[in-house]
Amino acid sequence: NAGVTQTPKFRVLKTGQSMTLLCAQDMNHEYMYWYRQDPGMGLRLIHYSVGEGTTAKGEVPDGYNVSRLKKQNFLLGLESAAPSQTSVYFCASSRTSGQAYEQYFGPGTRLTVT
Amino acid sequence: DAKTTQPNSMESNEEEPVHLPCNHSTISGTDYIHWYRQLPSQGPEYVIHGLTSNVNNRMASLAIAEDRKSSTLILHRATLRDAAVYYCILRDSNYQLIWGAGTKLIIKP
Repeated sequence: NAGVTQTPKFRVLKTGQSMTLLCAQDMNHEYMYWYRQDPGMGLRLIHYSVGEGTTAKGEVPDGYNVSRLKKQNFLLGLESAAPSQTSVYFCASSRTSGQAYEQYFGPGTRLTVT
Repeated sequence: DAKTTQPNSMESNEEEPVHLPCNHSTISGTDYIHWYRQLPSQGPEYVIHGLTSNVNNRMASLAIAEDRKSSTLILHRATLRDAAVYYCILRDSNYQLIWGAGTKLIIKP
């Protein structure tokens, strides 16, 4: 049981380049999330999805887009990367968004934008 | 949105109990209190959650004050593998978790 996986693990981009981060979960979870974590800080929610084909903005959505074409996958796109987007990105999933739920996290993608 | 306050860091000796405090004075009546931890260079990991009553699981115990304005995560016998950042979390108005900076727990051998 792989849980939540993320690809790639590391990436270096030049300013203005684009890329897509892939998140996959094998737990049949309805909800999926993308977070970023800057050094010494907690996680901040970028976008989330409540089910296949639906997405919603989180706390810090600017500069990112997402898609959830299949229930098990959640993609995070950077159309024109900026140095401010240098961060560690975590994907998570949960069975529901009800109060009594837990989120399962992937190992993270470390992105550097130069 | 309800916020939490935690100490920046705490130290404890190996094989001793650890009590990690969290203040959440603006918590609403229906907010669950969630705890996650993040080991170095890993994604966060769920620890425990509760609403009003104290909760126990294989990893930890959660003690919730009667007025729910504070809670304490209890690790009964800390090991070196428990060294991590521990996050006390509530939800926002959109039902999503709001993460603070957490408490860095240092375990001394």
